Formats: sequence, structure tokens, C-alpha cells
Amino acid sequence: TQLLEQSPQFLSIQEGENLTVYCNSSSVFSSLQWYRQEPGEGPVLLVTVVTGGEVKKLKRLTFQFGDARKDSSLHITAAQPGDTGLYLCAVDYGNNRLAFGKGNQVVVIP
Amino acid sequence: GAGVSQSPRYKVAKRGQDVALRCDPISGHVSLFWYQQALGQGPEFLTYFQNEAQLDKSGLPSDRFFAERPEGSVSTLKIQRTQQEDSAVYLCASSFRVLTNEKLFFGSGTQLSVL
Repeated sequence: TQLLEQSPQFLSIQEGENLTVYCNSSSVFSSLQWYRQEPGEGPVLLVTVVTGGEVKKLKRLTFQFGDARKDSSLHITAAQPGDTGLYLCAVDYGNNRLAFGKGNQVVVIP
Repeated sequence: GAGVSQSPRYKVAKRGQDVALRCDPISGHVSLFWYQQALGQGPEFLTYFQNEAQLDKSGLPSDRFFAERPEGSVSTLKIQRTQQEDSAVYLCASSFRVLTNEKLFFGSGTQLSVL
């Protein structure tokens, strides 16, 4: 059983469109991390959310942690080709050991 | 170094061969982690070190997998008698401290293909 379920698994959109991807679980977490991974590279940390209902913005990316701290979403406004990548959510279950979801593969077409 | 360095970037092995994957963490980083990422999946935890001590190896899939970090810096992940199901990207990561949500820095990985 996957601890973190990410949906949709794959999303292809035109440049300039908006998109939202989701990370869901039946478990409650004290915090949740989002990473972006580009082909041939390792994941790079984008943000950590720690408070239920928290919203964090990183340029055109908006991250939200659910009120119950069981889920999170990532919204991209006016997507650019540089936003293409695999978006991974992860939880730290102690001493930086991470459990990842399977990822949301986002492709932005110029 | 500027980042986590892994070598080789690509490794092709015949089934049954032994392989060794190297990780050079960021200088001064205490913690070092190995993850396995199968095609189309998120990374899965294999093992981690705090300095030279291997504190958790619960994610290693079998006793064919062995990791070491003898001097608390460079680490090697060894896979004996490779099988096709070992084909994956092996990612190494390091962090400065041992704290929950301490930022992890990942290397680019070694892509292992077992034929």
C-alpha cells in the first residue's frame, strides 16, 4: 500500500495554462515536502509545509497543506516549459528518511 | 565539492555480476542516504549513515545489497550477483545535520541496467 497517492500520474498542458496536482494519504503528517525531478537528475527540494492549512508560494508555484494534514496540492499558474518535470511529494518518518509518492509527471508544451 | 557526486552515471551489468556504486557527499555533511528509483516510481529508501555508522538498513531488498561508509565521507553501495529486478536508478543524498526536515541534497544518480 502506497503511503502517499499522487494524482494525476501524468499531465500534459500548453504553455500559459494553469494546473493543479495532488498528494493524498489516509495518514496524518507533521509536515510534507515537495520535490521536482528533471530527467537524469536527482530530486530538488521545492518546499516543506508544516502547518495544517498552510499556503506557501514559490514564484508561480503555490503549495497548500490540507487542514487535516493528510493531503497537499501544488498549483502552477501560467505554466512554462521550464516547469516540466516529475513532482514528488514526500514525508520524513525520522532522521531525514523519506517516503515518496510515485510522482506527478508534468509536461508543458511550448 | 559543490554538490553530491555519484559515479558511474551509467552501469550495464550482466546478470550475476557484482557492481559497486560510489557516492561523494557534500563536504561536512553528517548524514548520507541511498535510495532506489525504479522506472515510473518515486525513490525508495534503502539505507542511511550518520558519519561512518550505518543506522538503518531496513530498506535493502536482500542480502545481496551492502553499503559502507568507512571514513564517514565517501560511500559505496555494492550489489552482488545482480538480477534484472535490480535495474533502477540509485540515488545518493546527504544532509548537514540529523534533524527532521533537514534539507537533503541529491546526486544525479547511477542508472543500473542488468541484462
